[in-house]
Amino acid sequence: EAEVAQSPRYKITEKSQAVAFWCDPISGHATLYWYRQILGQGPELLVQFQDESVVDDSQLPKDRFSAERLKGVDSTLKIQPAELGDSAMYLCASSLAAGGSYEQYFGPGTRLTVT
Amino acid sequence: GENVEQHPSTLSVQEGDSAVIKCTYSDSASNYFPWYKQELGKGPQLIIDIRSNVGEKKDQRIAVTLNKTAKHFSLHITETQPEDSAVYFCAARIIIQGAQKLVFGQGTRLTINP
Repeated sequence: EAEVAQSPRYKITEKSQAVAFWCDPISGHATLYWYRQILGQGPELLVQFQDESVVDDSQLPKDRFSAERLKGVDSTLKIQPAELGDSAMYLCASSLAAGGSYEQYFGPGTRLTVT
Repeated sequence: GENVEQHPSTLSVQEGDSAVIKCTYSDSASNYFPWYKQELGKGPQLIIDIRSNVGEKKDQRIAVTLNKTAKHFSLHITETQPEDSAVYFCAARIIIQGAQKLVFGQGTRLTINP
């Protein structure tokens, strides 16, 4: 069964450092999502890509966060500089098409701890 | 903006009994409602979903009901087993400026007692 891949699974970094997360969606899925999940809460959308284009980044803190999906396949989410409040689980999800099949499938996530 | 409320936040049931989790949403245009199960240290797993053109959907021990008029939907798990213990999230799909977006509830921690 195809799955969304993410790496690393765990990351510990000091505040003010840069950190990057990688996601490889299910093959053929045009839409890719990055979510942030704070402990004890539901996932919150940070950015959504349709192929290589950003379609929604309204909740992305653009002063420190950036995301790219250059070839419309895998994606990288970067934080620079990291702050203590960025400690959370970062989840990647993908779906076949934004307007057609709605099902979103999540990867295992990257647990970020900022010290 | 769209808001999804989920209750209860924690639920403990005896093995074999049923569990019910309820969610309400605010955007009447929402038309897709998935449920996810999240085990410790893992990403959310889609377990069942329902679209607004049906009122109920069932998959073995899991069922979801939708009341569009009241804007609420529920997850029902029957004959609960220890492996059902996890955090469950409901979500509602909204469309903002042509982009679909899932808004999640706060989650329910379900514990099945043997």
